Amino acid sequence: EDQVTQSPEALRLQEGESSSLNCSYTVSGLRGLFWYRQDPGKGPEFLFTLYSAGEEKEKERLKATLTKKESFLHITAPKPEDSATYLCAVPNTGAGSYQLTFGKGTKLSVIP
Amino acid sequence: NAGVTQTPKFRILKIGQSMTLQCAQDMNHNYMYWYRQDPGMGLKLIYYSVGAGITDKGEVPNGYNVSRSTTEDFPLRLELAAPSQTSVYFCASSGVNTGELFFGEGSRLTVL
Repeated sequence: EDQVTQSPEALRLQEGESSSLNCSYTVSGLRGLFWYRQDPGKGPEFLFTLYSAGEEKEKERLKATLTKKESFLHITAPKPEDSATYLCAVPNTGAGSYQLTFGKGTKLSVIP
Repeated sequence: NAGVTQTPKFRILKIGQSMTLQCAQDMNHNYMYWYRQDPGMGLKLIYYSVGAGITDKGEVPNGYNVSRSTTEDFPLRLELAAPSQTSVYFCASSGVNTGELFFGEGSRLTVL
């Protein structure tokens, strides 16, 4: 069974304190790993797609990286507006369309 | 360009009642999805559609039905509501076969 595990479940950072979120996955023939941001009471918002080990993507203070077994979302000098739940997802093995399996998310709180 | 629009945003149902959650997108996307999100759990796929007239079950389809008569609309029908269907429901769409999904703002359903 395809699985996606995110850690930690919750993370509190002081403003400016850099850290990383982890997403580990067990799926054969990875067809992409996707990061989303979800604000309270809102739908998830797409951030990044990573397709192959060694690939990196950046957006403002966020950088996503991918290895053969896990992905990291690095947050550099975070600001309070980065507070959100971050979700990662992978397509199900063998699925014809992009049926995604989502992790439970990491709730990030950045304290001023 | 409204993106993905879901109605209603909130609804309270009594056990055994039925209702339809509406979803419309104006991006001419072929792929549409219904997910449910429960506290502490990842998003779970209920049903998906790869185009008008084509639908298929996801991971948790029991108690739900869908139809896709047009490219724009993908309603989710709940028959005989049960407390286990209390959840937040998200509709999403995507263009070509990709995990980059555009989500609506969600419909919060409570079954009492």
